[in-house]
Amino acid sequence: DADVTQTPRNRITKTGKRIMLECSQTKGHDRMYWYRQDPGLGLQLIYYSFDVKDINKGEISDGYSVSRQAQAKFSLSLESAIPNQTALYFCATSDTAGEQETQYFGPGTRLLVL
Amino acid sequence: GDSVTQMEGPVTLSEEAFLTINCTYTATGYPSLFWYVQYPGEGLQLLLKATKADDKGSNKGFEATYRKETTSFHLEKGSVQVSDSAVYFCALRVYNQGGKLIFGQGTELSVKP
Repeated sequence: DADVTQTPRNRITKTGKRIMLECSQTKGHDRMYWYRQDPGLGLQLIYYSFDVKDINKGEISDGYSVSRQAQAKFSLSLESAIPNQTALYFCATSDTAGEQETQYFGPGTRLLVL
Repeated sequence: GDSVTQMEGPVTLSEEAFLTINCTYTATGYPSLFWYVQYPGEGLQLLLKATKADDKGSNKGFEATYRKETTSFHLEKGSVQVSDSAVYFCALRVYNQGGKLIFGQGTELSVKP
């Protein structure tokens, strides 16, 4: 079984709809991240969480919100989806902080907003 | 601000050719450097990393050396295979910025038999 899972894997929605993307991990990591990937661009950080009570905005948090329901679960919501939020979304987790920290990525959710 | 620049793709090579994908960075602190690989339809996987100057990361025949003097972390492989076809991302992390990764735009590699 995969260590970091994302649901759904693909989603088509309409402008103005609320949508939630979910991420679960079995790695026991405290740190979790949400990124988006656009064609020809690298990944950009949306939100990150160091533990259940510690949530922080990333570079491009406008239009998004998150919920850390448990150590293992970190959800990303689009309150009112718009077409320029069409992208590939990745969840990641990381182990020890500091120099040796490594991030592990889920398989991604491909979102299309019409 | 901190940033990563990679050579543009796509890069197309024949099997067993030598690969270099250039990566340079700008960082205010002392970053750790990473190469991630994304195979078609999959998420990113860590390929290798280096945490301080002159460190060499290596994995699956790929290597990259952390060069502080040239602010570079070029990815190399002596003999590529068709199965190496993927998108490669260079990334850095600066410790005082919450552990977030800053990615380059990715370089697509296509290896032909």
